[in-house]
Amino acid sequence: EVQLVESGGGLVQPGRSLKLSCAASGFTFSNYYMAWVRQAPKKGLEWVATISTSGSRTYYPDSVKGRFTISRDNAKSSLYLQMNSLKSEDTATYYCARRGFITTPADYWGQGVMVTVSS
Amino acid sequence: VQMTQSPSYLAASPGESVSISCKASKSISNNLAWYQEKPGKANKLLIHSGSTLQSGTPSRFSGSGSGTDFTLTIRSLESEDFAVYYCQQYNEYPLTFGSGTKLEIK
Repeated sequence: EVQLVESGGGLVQPGRSLKLSCAASGFTFSNYYMAWVRQAPKKGLEWVATISTSGSRTYYPDSVKGRFTISRDNAKSSLYLQMNSLKSEDTATYYCARRGFITTPADYWGQGVMVTVSS
Repeated sequence: VQMTQSPSYLAASPGESVSISCKASKSISNNLAWYQEKPGKANKLLIHSGSTLQSGTPSRFSGSGSGTDFTLTIRSLESEDFAVYYCQQYNEYPLTFGSGTKLEIK
């Protein structure tokens, strides 16, 4: 059974950093692109980042480019999201998803982890 | 690519059929997915490639369309179908979602 479990969320002050993790199991992690998607309170879904199987290619929307970094450790079946220079508008539930890139939609999602950016 | 989803809210009774529209601001071929969101559960991929049911998706769900106009139809609603539905284009970056449709029991 595919499982994606996010961790690392919490309350952080504006301008500070936070790193999210996603532990994957139930599939061969190194064979799949992975992605992060977020949802602000009472809002819709927003794609945040995608990483290739080896980690050599990453993709971001303009809203987080230069501030967020997606990475992975295939040996640990883990996905990460380093978030720097956080803003109040980054407050959201962050979801880890399997796949989620051009021509292939995300087919499994985690249950999400909450990040609150506030002073 | 902007995704315009409508309606934002829909009330229906079990047994009825409903349709949700999703319009893309430019052609996305058939690179469109539909997701279901329910409280306390992971989001579920229902349909990809505009009309292909993901494994495990009940046959009462169907998707149609290509280019810019897409529709999700649910026939004979069951209690478990009352949820929020999102469309998403994955034809180009940035990947973008519709604003969601909340389907509630009438």
